[in-house]
Amino acid sequence: QKEVEQDPGPLSVPEGAIVSLNCTYSNSAFQYFMWYRQYSRKGPELLMYTYSSGNKEDGRFTAQVDKSSKYISLFIRDSQPSDSATYLCAGSNDYKLSFGAGTTVTVRA
Amino acid sequence: NAGVTQTPKFQVLKTGQSMTLQCAQDMNHEYMSWYRQDPGMGLRLIHYSVGAGITDQGEVPNGYNVSRSTTEDFPLRLLSAAPSQTSVYFCASSYWGPGTGTSGANVLTFGAGSRLTVL
Repeated sequence: QKEVEQDPGPLSVPEGAIVSLNCTYSNSAFQYFMWYRQYSRKGPELLMYTYSSGNKEDGRFTAQVDKSSKYISLFIRDSQPSDSATYLCAGSNDYKLSFGAGTTVTVRA
Repeated sequence: NAGVTQTPKFQVLKTGQSMTLQCAQDMNHEYMSWYRQDPGMGLRLIHYSVGAGITDQGEVPNGYNVSRSTTEDFPLRLLSAAPSQTSVYFCASSYWGPGTGTSGANVLTFGAGSRLTVL
């Protein structure tokens, strides 16, 4: 069983909509939670990371972690066509990151 | 500042052939790692290194070797290629070191990937 489960989608939304992405994890030792964005045929790039539970906001992006339910979320407000990509969640407690399979998002103009 | 550079970008091998995927970083990162990415499986760690001369196995190490003779370079060797090794390979590096709080996060910088097909 994978340590991090993520619905692969795909997810298609109109421009301006709120995109909601979710992951669950099983390793209660995870302290760090990350979201990476990966454009087609490119390497993943870090969007945001959080430590322990709580929310973190960066522009149109908000990451939430609920350690009690082992749930990780990413919200994208006012989505743009340039947000079309695969979004990968990850958890870790040291060097080793466990990644979800990624959710492919398409924002329609 | 080039970041993490991987070569080649594409490679086709026959079963049984060997090859080396190159990875170089110019950020003076101590931590370097290799992942493979397969549909539905996400990124899986193959091998990693926490500094020159130190390497260790990740989640899926079988069929791969690594070495770390310098801080900058971390090549991945396929000893005898198999069709199951058809994948996209990513090298990633970071400043990671043991710590607490937010300073302990392993924030990886990825290369652009190497797409390998084994026939």
